[in-house]
Amino acid sequence: GAGVSQSPSNKVTEKGKDVELRCDPISGHTALYWYRQSLGQGLEFLIYFQGNSAPDKSGLPSDRFSAERTGGSVSTLTIQRTQQEDSAVYLCASSLRLAGKSYNEQFFGPGTRLTVL
Amino acid sequence: ELKVEQNPLFLSMQEGKNYTIYCNYSTTSDRLYWYRQDPGKSLESLFVLLSNGAVKQEGRLMASLDTKARLSTLHITAAVHDLSATYFCAVVWGGGTSYGKLTFGQGTILTVHP
Repeated sequence: GAGVSQSPSNKVTEKGKDVELRCDPISGHTALYWYRQSLGQGLEFLIYFQGNSAPDKSGLPSDRFSAERTGGSVSTLTIQRTQQEDSAVYLCASSLRLAGKSYNEQFFGPGTRLTVL
Repeated sequence: ELKVEQNPLFLSMQEGKNYTIYCNYSTTSDRLYWYRQDPGKSLESLFVLLSNGAVKQEGRLMASLDTKARLSTLHITAAVHDLSATYFCAVVWGGGTSYGKLTFGQGTILTVHP
């Protein structure tokens, strides 16, 4: 079956511009996560959506970062007024939460490589 | 704050040799993951370890978990070139409705050469 997909695969933008990154999770997965991978910081958690609950935004590095998830499926990560330190690979993952089960394997998408000039 | 530390960070191995990657974490967690990442690619799940003493094996890789010591190991047996990649361990943290966030180790870059 189809895995997690992300678009675009690469994005080059100028400092100060806004960018939107898209994630399509595996169909039926209720949980969706955004992570960032950069040389200096490694892999970092950004934000987590679970069903209809309020998202956990505790990993967002600044108020320039926001994310939404429409209809419990597709998610968009928006970075406003991009800075050079935002350059990284942004990874999306999804998982299936089943009642009574704590098992929560996350499946990762291919990532979006963002370069801010 | 949960910290996850891997060592070594760089590992150069000869084909046919054995070696172990270590993953230490700082606070209690009930599951630990190992992922593989090839250059320019995303993360591929290798193992999920759910309980103390858990051991999982797939091919030349074997992972184990000691929750009391807060330590997981990834053992490589008779390494082959195809195992060259970056390996990450990750620990679940967060409670209640936030449960499931992963904190990653720094990654171990493994190179297997003839």
